[in-house]
Amino acid sequence: DTGVSQNPRHKITKRGQNVTFRCDPISEHNRLYWYRQTLGQGPEFLTYFQNEAQLEKSRLLSDRFSAERPKGSFSTLEIQRTEQGDSAMYLCASTLAGTPVPHTEAFFGQGTRLTVV
Amino acid sequence: DAKTTQPPSMDCAEGRAANLPCNHSTISGNEYVYWYRQIHSQGPQYIIHGLKNNETNEMASLIITEDRKSSTLILPHATLRDTAVYYCIVRVPVRLINTDKLIFGTGTRLQVFP
Repeated sequence: DTGVSQNPRHKITKRGQNVTFRCDPISEHNRLYWYRQTLGQGPEFLTYFQNEAQLEKSRLLSDRFSAERPKGSFSTLEIQRTEQGDSAMYLCASTLAGTPVPHTEAFFGQGTRLTVV
Repeated sequence: DAKTTQPPSMDCAEGRAANLPCNHSTISGNEYVYWYRQIHSQGPQYIIHGLKNNETNEMASLIITEDRKSSTLILPHATLRDTAVYYCIVRVPVRLINTDKLIFGTGTRLQVFP
């Protein structure tokens, strides 16, 4: 499978615990995005990377959230001291930017569903 | 921050055309219209995009009005597998700005029935 892979698919954690999600983008894609989606809403942008550089962070990304993409390949999203309001689907997407054509199709993974109890 | 307006839900009979409208009255001259869909429990999937001309691919057709203030996504022969939430998004081409994040609204939930 050469698509975007996210692990784990589901995570149940107790309030106050730390969790980490992993995203493996399509191998040649240099841009990687994290989104959060709650029930009945569209995905909300959290942050994105160009190679290993984190270039933009949404104000939704509180100081309990941290994302890394250390070698410009896979990325991790960590949530510290989880709260019940963190329960959501966390989606990762990747694109190939910097090509001559303006259109870049974003490929999404199937997401990690986090439930904080 | 979404700059589009879509009806919250629509129904369509299997085999008939599904026409999903989208209003984007504040669209600027260099913004494209993109459509994605999200089938239950999956990530969004790209469908089609356009600037001002009508576009067609193997999945759908996109009709953009002459003033570009609205568009319609057409699924010519809807199947049960087309049941999903459809998102209409406007965005600037990636090479003009540093970020090309997608700003999703709440989309249209299309239910295709037998």
